[in-house]
Amino acid sequence: NAGVTQTPKFRILKIGQSMTLQCTQDMNHNYMYWYRQDPGMGLKLIYYSVGAGITDKGEVPNGYNVSRSTTEDFPLRLELAAPSQTSVYFCASSYGGSNSDTQYFGPGTRLTVL
Amino acid sequence: TQLLEQSPQFLSIQEGENLTVYCNSSSVFSSLQWYRQEPGEGPVLLVTVVTGGEVKKLKRLTFQFGDARKDSSLHITAAQPGDTGLYLCAPNTGGFKTIFGAGTRLFVKA
Repeated sequence: NAGVTQTPKFRILKIGQSMTLQCTQDMNHNYMYWYRQDPGMGLKLIYYSVGAGITDKGEVPNGYNVSRSTTEDFPLRLELAAPSQTSVYFCASSYGGSNSDTQYFGPGTRLTVL
Repeated sequence: TQLLEQSPQFLSIQEGENLTVYCNSSSVFSSLQWYRQEPGEGPVLLVTVVTGGEVKKLKRLTFQFGDARKDSSLHITAAQPGDTGLYLCAPNTGGFKTIFGAGTRLFVKA
């Protein structure tokens, strides 16, 4: 199993550009999450999904969109990139949504918006 | 808004020393997880504690959940360079939304 994979690893965007961060998991997990991690800060939840076709907002959803057409994939879309979106983005998945389930994280995408 | 504080923010110690890091809040949590994140990688789960007062050991790491389920500690005995990383506390307030602390960045010098 590859676990959770994310592409690209690094990206530099200009203000106003758009891009999609890809996330795929091969563990047949129902739950998937997108987080951002800013320097010296914890992970903040952007969006999450409890299954294919179902998504919901997390703590910091503004400026982002997601879709979940399959169990495996959970792409994160930035439509109009802003410097405030410079961060490291992590995708994660878990089998269930219980409070003791393990979240498995991808290696992250480091995004810089100039 | 829940306040979650991890302390210390940064810790640099020599190999062989003991250390304790803390995770504190004024809120009660249904469970709490500790993750370790190494540079350039995503966090990896170390342990989940569920019951107030619970103590779990993972080799040289000892985790404790406070009796009131508002705080937790992680104690490392005889730290090694391989313990270097960012330790994140992640309490759960119910359901599947987990919040993460800012973390304690540990550096163990050989």
